[in-house]
Amino acid sequence: EAAVTQSPRNKVAVTGGKVTLSCNQTNNHNNMYWYRQDTGHGLRLIHYSYGAGSTEKGDIPDGYKASRPSQENFSLILELATPSQTSVYFCASGGDWGGANAEQFFGPGTRLTVL
Amino acid sequence: GDSVTQKEGLVTLTEGLPVMLNCTYQTIYSNAFLFWYVHYLNESPRLLLKSSTDNKRTEHQGFHATLHKSSSSFHLQKSSAQLSDSALYYCALSGITGNTGKLIFGLGTTLQVQP
Repeated sequence: EAAVTQSPRNKVAVTGGKVTLSCNQTNNHNNMYWYRQDTGHGLRLIHYSYGAGSTEKGDIPDGYKASRPSQENFSLILELATPSQTSVYFCASGGDWGGANAEQFFGPGTRLTVL
Repeated sequence: GDSVTQKEGLVTLTEGLPVMLNCTYQTIYSNAFLFWYVHYLNESPRLLLKSSTDNKRTEHQGFHATLHKSSSSFHLQKSSAQLSDSALYYCALSGITGNTGKLIFGLGTTLQVQP
């Protein structure tokens, strides 16, 4: 059974609209991450969280907010979506400690298109 | 800061030939942990192998890599490419300990294996 799930799997939004991407994990990991994947840019970290109630800015946080209401759930929010945010978004859990235990477990991804 | 370099964006091979995907890194921490993730189309990125031991070969699913701290390298190799190896491969670094768990990813190398 999948330990990291994302919804929706595909989303088409209009410019200026609000988009919420959801992620749920059953790994009981403290840490969760949101990445976007674009050709030529690899995986880029948007926001991450150390646990319920915490959110931290990653490398490219502009235009995104995050929410961690519980251990299991981590949402990525685009308040005013723009076409430049068209991408594939991955959620991951894990990496509760650095070093060898930094392995992260990824969800299936959400393909977002902003028109 | 810490960084990971994957020189090749695309590697195209004929089935049966050896595979070598390059990964070099920079970190101020002497205790670096390196990871290779594989991302097959329409699946989630997942861990392929990891290592923190200098000059020790790590193997998994026919792939192997050796961490060389003297040259800051962790190249991914396979003796004979298969069509099913076609995927996007990420090298990643965790150079710190403590409750952070962040991974630093390279830009990724797409491996295309042709008949």
